[in-house]
Amino acid sequence: DGGITQSPKYLFRKEGQNVTLSCEQNLNHDAMYWYRQDPGQGLRLIYYSQIVNDFQKGDIAEGYSVSREKKESFPLTVTSAQKNPTAFYLCASSIDGGGGSTDTQYFGPGTRLTVL
Amino acid sequence: AQKITQTQPGMFVQEKEAVTLDCTYDTSDQSYGLFWYKQPSSGEMIFLIYQGSYDEQNATEGRYSLNFQKARKSANLVISASQLGDSAMYFCAMREGYNDYKLSFGAGTTVTVRA
Repeated sequence: DGGITQSPKYLFRKEGQNVTLSCEQNLNHDAMYWYRQDPGQGLRLIYYSQIVNDFQKGDIAEGYSVSREKKESFPLTVTSAQKNPTAFYLCASSIDGGGGSTDTQYFGPGTRLTVL
Repeated sequence: AQKITQTQPGMFVQEKEAVTLDCTYDTSDQSYGLFWYKQPSSGEMIFLIYQGSYDEQNATEGRYSLNFQKARKSANLVISASQLGDSAMYFCAMREGYNDYKLSFGAGTTVTVRA
């Protein structure tokens, strides 16, 4: 089945540690995205990648880093510099990220990160 | 200023009835897209329906329809014949401009369907 997978589903981190969240898609989409969701709120964009080996910061990139070495994969690292990392993280992909009338973003199941 | 406003934090609806979820948006672009997503308790965001700013007809997808009123800058979602499985959080989102990738999300509306 085509889709987006994220792992792990739940992640616990001690303060001061870096953690990496996995996002893989087999939809052959060029564009991939990372969002953060806090309780009772909408999604906020962390990073975006329109093509392999290229990515741009979103609204809340501080304390996060990404890589895009393969079209299928867009891992997100939450660094110790992120002051309040406890949140729900959602990965998404779209055909080309170029906007247009039908460039819909499709989401993975999410990773819930808790800092202990 | 908020780009997407959803004024209803929570709503209750009786099974088999219709429910309307409000969404107003703010943009100066002529070209933009409006999206609705459903988020059940599992957390995954499920795409429901899309409306382009130049689309003359209101979008429909099965039991979902979008009441697009461009002059009022509103894009309300109508769910007809509600089912228990429709209980979830619903988000309105907007992409501005033709070449922009970014989605701006509203705060969401929680819908609870009663049997």
